[in-house]
Amino acid sequence: RKEVEQDPGPFNVPEGATVAFNCTYSNSASQSFFWYRQDCRKEPKLLMSVYSSGNEDGRFTAQLNRASQYISLLIRDSKLSDSATYLCVVREGYQKVTFGTGTKLQVIP
Amino acid sequence: EAQVTQNPRYLITVTGKKLTVTCSQNMNHEYMSWYRQDPGLGLRQIYYSMNVEVTDKGDVPEGYKVSRKEKRNFPLILESPSPNQTSLYFCASSLIRGRFTGELFFGEGSRLTVL
Repeated sequence: RKEVEQDPGPFNVPEGATVAFNCTYSNSASQSFFWYRQDCRKEPKLLMSVYSSGNEDGRFTAQLNRASQYISLLIRDSKLSDSATYLCVVREGYQKVTFGTGTKLQVIP
Repeated sequence: EAQVTQNPRYLITVTGKKLTVTCSQNMNHEYMSWYRQDPGLGLRQIYYSMNVEVTDKGDVPEGYKVSRKEKRNFPLILESPSPNQTSLYFCASSLIRGRFTGELFFGEGSRLTVL
């Protein structure tokens, strides 16, 4: 089983749609969780950190479920500019950083 | 401007010819790390460093070396490159605060082809 698993997609959604991604992780000692966005073969950029209580940033909502060991990302009112690959990132303290393979989103006009 | 700078951005080389990919950050970050990204495999951690003279292996360290002689620099060294090291490489840095670490800031990537 992979340490961090994501559905690779692609998710093809129309503009204005709501789309949700999940990510599961296997190590219960994981401490920090993030969603990154990566445009085609460019560097990943932080979209949002994921906190235990859940957090929202505009159209984006992230949630963490430690009991079930998954994190989620909800995107409301999808824009064409949201088309990208979304990477789930899990950190165990300082050292180990594990990336999911990414979920590709394509927003269609 | 806060940034992580990698060089070269693109490189084509031949098997066995030693090369170094440089990485420099201007944010005074303690933590620096290297990743390679391959289709279907995502980003995998090669090496990381928690501070000067402190380095450790990630998930795929074979064929690579690193050094951290200064806080801002973390070069990746391929002593004898092989074709299976053809990949897109990213350097990243972050702060360390107590038990937790901040977000990773990435360089723009270095696309390496080994013939």
